[in-house]
Amino acid sequence: QSVLTQPPSASGTPGQRVTISCSGSSSNIGSNTVNWYQQLPGTAPKVLIYSSNQRPSGVPDRFSGSKSGTSASLAISGLQSEDEADYYCATWDDSLNAWVFGGGTKLTV
Amino acid sequence: EVQLVESGGGLVQPGRSLRLSCAASGFTFDDYAMHWVRQAPGKGLEWVSGISWNSGSIGYADSVKGRFTISRDNAKNSLYLQMNSLTPEDTALYYCAKDRHLVVAAAKSAFDIWGQGTMVTVSS
Repeated sequence: QSVLTQPPSASGTPGQRVTISCSGSSSNIGSNTVNWYQQLPGTAPKVLIYSSNQRPSGVPDRFSGSKSGTSASLAISGLQSEDEADYYCATWDDSLNAWVFGGGTKLTV
Repeated sequence: EVQLVESGGGLVQPGRSLRLSCAASGFTFDDYAMHWVRQAPGKGLEWVSGISWNSGSIGYADSVKGRFTISRDNAKNSLYLQMNSLTPEDTALYYCAKDRHLVVAAAKSAFDIWGQGTMVTVSS
């Protein structure tokens, strides 16, 4: 049982916009910024969004993040077949004194 | 090229120990905190431990506290994870990851560089 709750799966067709949610509590998302990671099949994770809504250089602007209260979301617009991957949210938990991840969402395009 | 290369994984019996290493290159190692993150087969990501740039701040997941010890040698650009009293639940791919900041839990922290991982299998 993960501290952060994500839907196990999401899907969309090419060109569509999809949103993946991440729900937490006051000790984690409610107090800290959220990061999103993309893990393509058979590869290491890669940071997509940090500080809830910042994109590292090289990440397309099709990816965007937001946070409100104890929840966060990752939006992917103009969906492409290469976006098919597992997506994880993560943040620091002040009560656990640990980084916590969501259970992951498998995106099918 | 910025790179992290893990080593030291393998098959080990329950109750035994293993030491993982992570060699860093392409960036100023002692400017950043470092972490270990693991992924059990077919499962999600789990943060294991993190260490600040100067080893002054260290954190562990409850699942490994008291059994695992993280350390770093800035002169050798290397990160380590000493794993004792291993159980089958520790079976996973262990990733080394670089933080964007000096400390383990800074505002705007994120794991921005990842290695390819080293597999640890605990089984009799």
